[in-house]
Amino acid sequence: GDSVTQMEGPVTLSEEAFLTINCTYTATGYPSLFWYVQYPGEGLQLLLKATKADDKGSNKGFEATYRKETTSFHLEKGSVQVSDSAVYFCALSVRDDKIIFGKGTRLHILP
Amino acid sequence: GAGVSQSPSNKVTEKGKDVELRCDPISGHTALYWYRQSLGQGLEFLIYFQGNSAPDKSGLPSDRFSAERTGGSVSTLTIQRTQQEDSAVYLCASSLQVADTQYFGPGTRLTVL
Repeated sequence: GDSVTQMEGPVTLSEEAFLTINCTYTATGYPSLFWYVQYPGEGLQLLLKATKADDKGSNKGFEATYRKETTSFHLEKGSVQVSDSAVYFCALSVRDDKIIFGKGTRLHILP
Repeated sequence: GAGVSQSPSNKVTEKGKDVELRCDPISGHTALYWYRQSLGQGLEFLIYFQGNSAPDKSGLPSDRFSAERTGGSVSTLTIQRTQQEDSAVYLCASSLQVADTQYFGPGTRLTVL
């Protein structure tokens, strides 16, 4: 079945470090891919998305490129801030209804 | 404008009791989704509604779980004879149409003692 695998956390980085959170997927069709973020005490929010191969989603300095050949959608940010501390979920949607989530990666940014 | 709201925010119940969780979607959103977030299972899809009908109930974990949506707006998720493994955060989301961006509510934290 369709699934998402993302790197386990927690990931701890210093402020201004480069961030990569790996995500790979398995899907029977042509999925849309997402990164969601859950800040402490807040609800789940869409961070970025890409709907077809080679699309790059970007928001708040975060980027992810839809790589069909490697079935990946890695999240990157060039210089993280303390305020980026949160749980990040990679996700996919094949039929554009239900979203299938990875297990989440907790990110801690140290000042 | 107002986002997705859920009530109650926290619910503590005893094993064997029934609980009802409520979701108010964003006004005008025709699609509504229920997910469950638990430590062991991560975020799981439960059910979604297009209007008042539920085309996909595949994620409901057992026949103790049911959901309804009336008037194309508010939805209620009911868990009968709760078990300790039902303890989780239940999230609701809505979107303008199916396939549009889903907006999530703050969740209801359910604890079954």
